[in-house]
Amino acid sequence: QKEVEQNSGPLSVPEGAIASLNCTYSDRGSQSFFWYRQYSGKSPELIMSIYSNGDKEDGRFTAQLNKASQYVSLLIRDSQPSDSATYLCAVISSASKIIFGSGTRLSIRP
Amino acid sequence: EPEVTQTPSHQVTQMGQEVILRCVPISNHLYFYWYRQILGQKVEFLVSFYNNEISEKSEIFDDQFSVERPDGSNFTLKIRSTKLEDSAMYFCASKKTGSVTDTQYFGPGTRLTVL
Repeated sequence: QKEVEQNSGPLSVPEGAIASLNCTYSDRGSQSFFWYRQYSGKSPELIMSIYSNGDKEDGRFTAQLNKASQYVSLLIRDSQPSDSATYLCAVISSASKIIFGSGTRLSIRP
Repeated sequence: EPEVTQTPSHQVTQMGQEVILRCVPISNHLYFYWYRQILGQKVEFLVSFYNNEISEKSEIFDDQFSVERPDGSNFTLKIRSTKLEDSAMYFCASKKTGSVTDTQYFGPGTRLTVL
């Protein structure tokens, strides 16, 4: 069974600080990795995608991938109250489906 | 910006009834998906669809479920005889190509409540 594991949280971070979210996956054949943000009652919204080892930066967000350790992370710099949401780690190992983690609840306190 | 749309936003039905959830994928996308999310749980893959055929389906997608692309724009999920445990948010997604690096775009979801 292919699994994606995340700490469910909640992770509480003060406004302006760096939020660090982590994810591990079980399938070594996984090829694409995504972070989605989901607000309560809403659909997942893509934040970042990463396909090769190393860091990828987009504005306040940095995704990090380490395939040897089967580990993906997301850093959010200068955290804002609007960043409060559930962050879903997602992995694709075939063209056909995304496997989601259960999500980490992030709360940014003013 | 093009987006995936879904109707209805909320569907209430009695146990044993048939429901059809509708999705309009982004117009030049060729790959279509259904996911569900039971309240408080993770988003789960149900089925993928390409070239008028199911590409892959999960264990959840049993004989009670079917998908169809009845015309050039709609993509539907039918549940033949709903059960209480089918109550969930159902998300449609689409993407342009079969590449694993291509992004799946999600619709806003249909909340299905089975009484």
